[in-house]
Amino acid sequence: AQTVTQSQPEMSVQEAETVTLSCTYDTSESDYYLFWYKQPPSRQMILVIRQEAYKQQNATENRFSVNFQKAAKSFSLKISDSQLGDAAMYFCAYRNYYGGATNKLIFGTGTLLAVQP
Amino acid sequence: EAQVTQNPRYLITVTGKKLTVTCSQNMNHEYMSWYRQDPGLGLRQIYYSMNVEVTDKGDVPEGYKVSRKEKRNFPLILESPSPNQTSLYFCASSLIRGSSSYNEQFFGPGTRLTVL
Repeated sequence: AQTVTQSQPEMSVQEAETVTLSCTYDTSESDYYLFWYKQPPSRQMILVIRQEAYKQQNATENRFSVNFQKAAKSFSLKISDSQLGDAAMYFCAYRNYYGGATNKLIFGTGTLLAVQP
Repeated sequence: EAQVTQNPRYLITVTGKKLTVTCSQNMNHEYMSWYRQDPGLGLRQIYYSMNVEVTDKGDVPEGYKVSRKEKRNFPLILESPSPNQTSLYFCASSLIRGSSSYNEQFFGPGTRLTVL
């Protein structure tokens, strides 16, 4: 069974600084998707970034980028120029490439990010 | 506006009193799913549905029921709630465009349930 591990329950960053959130996963599959979701205090789940395992290039979305290390099964999220609005719970998630019927997302336990003004 | 709606957003109830959390989507999605979120455990899938009248268990289905009589609706039913079902619940939906296609899941706003 696939698992996702986030070893940092809480992190803090100064406004305008850069922070990296860690995620490791375990799977025997060679093709899959990885995601980072943001959950602000409103509780809404917001997709931040997606990575396809077959793509070597790391995904980037504005200030958010990932460091995808397939061999190490590592998928970290880097937030550059942190803003107060980035304060949230961040979840790393995995989905089999052939999601098919289940389309199931497997989530990590989350990292609570605080942004200090 | 394309969205997934859930009702109620907050609910406090007592042990054993049957309740239903509704979920509706307006995107004509075939796939719908329920997750529960608990501190230190992340989100876990409860049930999912591929289409009308097609449902199946996720990872934590005990104590829950679902139905899919209409494509847009996927209610979560707790027939005899217990305190260990106190949690934050999310409904999600997506298209099914092929087993390897990326089908983004759209999440509802969440329902905070407390069972006393």
